Amino acid sequence: ETGVTQTPRHLVMGMTNKKSLKCEQHLGHNAMYWYKQSAKKPLELMFVYSLEERVENNSVPSRFSPECPNSSHLFLHLHTLQPEDSALYLCASSQAGTGGADTQYFGPGTRLTVL
Amino acid sequence: GEDVEQSLFLSVREGDSSVINCTYTDSSSTYLYWYKQEPGAGLQLLTYIFSNMDMKQDQRLTVLLNKKDKHLSLRIADTQTGDSAIYFCAESKWGYQKVTFGIGTKLQVIP
Repeated sequence: ETGVTQTPRHLVMGMTNKKSLKCEQHLGHNAMYWYKQSAKKPLELMFVYSLEERVENNSVPSRFSPECPNSSHLFLHLHTLQPEDSALYLCASSQAGTGGADTQYFGPGTRLTVL
Repeated sequence: GEDVEQSLFLSVREGDSSVINCTYTDSSSTYLYWYKQEPGAGLQLLTYIFSNMDMKQDQRLTVLLNKKDKHLSLRIADTQTGDSAIYFCAESKWGYQKVTFGIGTKLQVIP
């Protein structure tokens, strides 16, 4: 596997379900990100992990819970979601702290539908 | 605050040049980026420019930066049907681990 992978690619869940999204990066990066992409809206940064510590949490509802067990893996745990949470969830990674451009590499995303 | 604006849609004929425009509000932006998203895929970095540059060329892609007007453009020469995608403008500041993205411009290439 190369680059950034995400599973599952598609997920349909009810509002009472609990599910998790998984992201894995094979690039040796030290920072990972979760974004939400909704139609006709800018990409929304949800969480940032740098060296496995959460460094940014953009006022995301508590029904979204991230976990970063190591620098290669990132999870997004979902529970009691709302239909408006339906979106494409993108994971990205980068090598932070180099003082240069924050070049982020994205996974293909998980298309989430909440019924 | 940080804001990146782009038009939603652009249509061009195959073989013509495409110009996608972007404006941003934060004068302290250090890096400006162009990403491409094809259907069913994540975002792919095309190119980026440092804020002290005014132009960068990479094969068919030319990035122009007008820092005074906070205006960034991406020119694609000899546009092909494979260039049909959504193009995102983005900015970041040195020392901050955050990239702010625009809404994306959907480029449609007509054969």
